[in-house]
Amino acid sequence: ELKVEQNPLFLSMQEGKNYTIYCNYSTTSDRLYWYRQDPGKSLESLFVLLSNGAVKQEGRLMASLDTKARLSTLHITAAVHDLSATYFCAANFGNEKLTFGTGTRLTIIP
Amino acid sequence: NAGVMQNPRHLVRRRGQEARLRCSPMKGHSHVYWYRQLPEEGLKFMVYLQKENIIDESGMPKERFSAEFPKEGPSILRIQQVVRGDSAAYFCASQGAYEQYFGPGTRLTVT
Repeated sequence: ELKVEQNPLFLSMQEGKNYTIYCNYSTTSDRLYWYRQDPGKSLESLFVLLSNGAVKQEGRLMASLDTKARLSTLHITAAVHDLSATYFCAANFGNEKLTFGTGTRLTIIP
Repeated sequence: NAGVMQNPRHLVRRRGQEARLRCSPMKGHSHVYWYRQLPEEGLKFMVYLQKENIIDESGMPKERFSAEFPKEGPSILRIQQVVRGDSAAYFCASQGAYEQYFGPGTRLTVT
């Protein structure tokens, strides 16, 4: 069964702290994606990871991919309030449709 | 360069009515995906279409749901005889070189 699992599901962080969201997937995936969703809004693409060892960074967010471990991480550095949102990882498994994780609802506390 | 467009953005239907959701992909894209997001959940794949072709409908409920993407005009997701459990956000996405670009979604409320 094609599965994508994220943890934690909920995360409260203080501003200025670092944390990591984990995304495990069940079988070989061509690509791994990270999206951000604000309440009542659509999905904003953050990163597309195409190969083993890929690392991408944008501002305070950094994503990495380990295809052997079937694991991707989204690392948040020195969190600020405007990073509060729900973060989804998604994978495609040899076809084009995406299988999404359940999401991590991130709340940054001042 | 307009993004993926969906309309309506909000749709209220009574139980038993029909809902029609429309999606126009980004310019130059000819592949469309529909996903459904139930409250507090992730997105679930429903159907993948090219112009005039359904490529993969493995995520579509067997009854009441249908989708099309005609040669001209937007893709349509049609839900007949809606029930309360159909209340959700429906997103479409169009396929770029490496990723899918999502539209703003249609939030369907069934009363």
